[in-house]
Amino acid sequence: GAVVSQHPSRVICKSGTSVKIECRSLDFQATTMFWYRQFPKQSLMLMATSNEGSKATYEQGVEKDKFLINHASLTLSTLTVTSAHPEDSSFYICSVGPRAGYQPQHFGDGTRLSIL
Amino acid sequence: DQQVKQNSPSLSVQEGRISILNCDYTNSMFDYFLWYKKYPAEGPTFLISISSIKDKNEDGRFTVFLNKSAKHLSLHIVPSQPGDSAVYFCAATAGGTSYGKLTFGQGTILTVHP
Repeated sequence: GAVVSQHPSRVICKSGTSVKIECRSLDFQATTMFWYRQFPKQSLMLMATSNEGSKATYEQGVEKDKFLINHASLTLSTLTVTSAHPEDSSFYICSVGPRAGYQPQHFGDGTRLSIL
Repeated sequence: DQQVKQNSPSLSVQEGRISILNCDYTNSMFDYFLWYKKYPAEGPTFLISISSIKDKNEDGRFTVFLNKSAKHLSLHIVPSQPGDSAVYFCAATAGGTSYGKLTFGQGTILTVHP
């Protein structure tokens, strides 16, 4: 399956800071990547679809100005949490889209974001 | 609207026995189903999947069964091992404009006792 690298694994910062999270596809060129968020003891919820060379598409209820997504190359998507506040504290995980057809997505190891 | 549901928050099984994890879905457009294993503070690890044209898929100790009429799938792990202890998520996706977007269940915590 796809090898996905996500960085950083943990961020602790003050309220009002903007935080950038990187997701890299290491073994194939991904036109599509996905960003998910998991609150404690809850399920993973899709936030947005990152599309290489075009704008990301956001799920209902996700603020696109708060969560900026850039997919500038076929191997890198970034999620920037702008002016983060304590309620943005969560576990953010990226996945690399299926190569084709009925194939699984593979996930990065996630980023634990803690806003003080 | 919870389109994918795992109604058992936890399951405890003795080593060597079978673990059966269940998942129900409501969206009839889902045509591909996956099971992931997850540890705290890590990303999900893919285990096994099944497309809607099949009713069973097997990979080693893991078997997934799909009952489309009941909108139900299950993951069987046999024999269960202590290293299988983790949170298990089922996920589903549809084609078309939803291609690749996964909808996850709430997860089931599996504990396998030695």
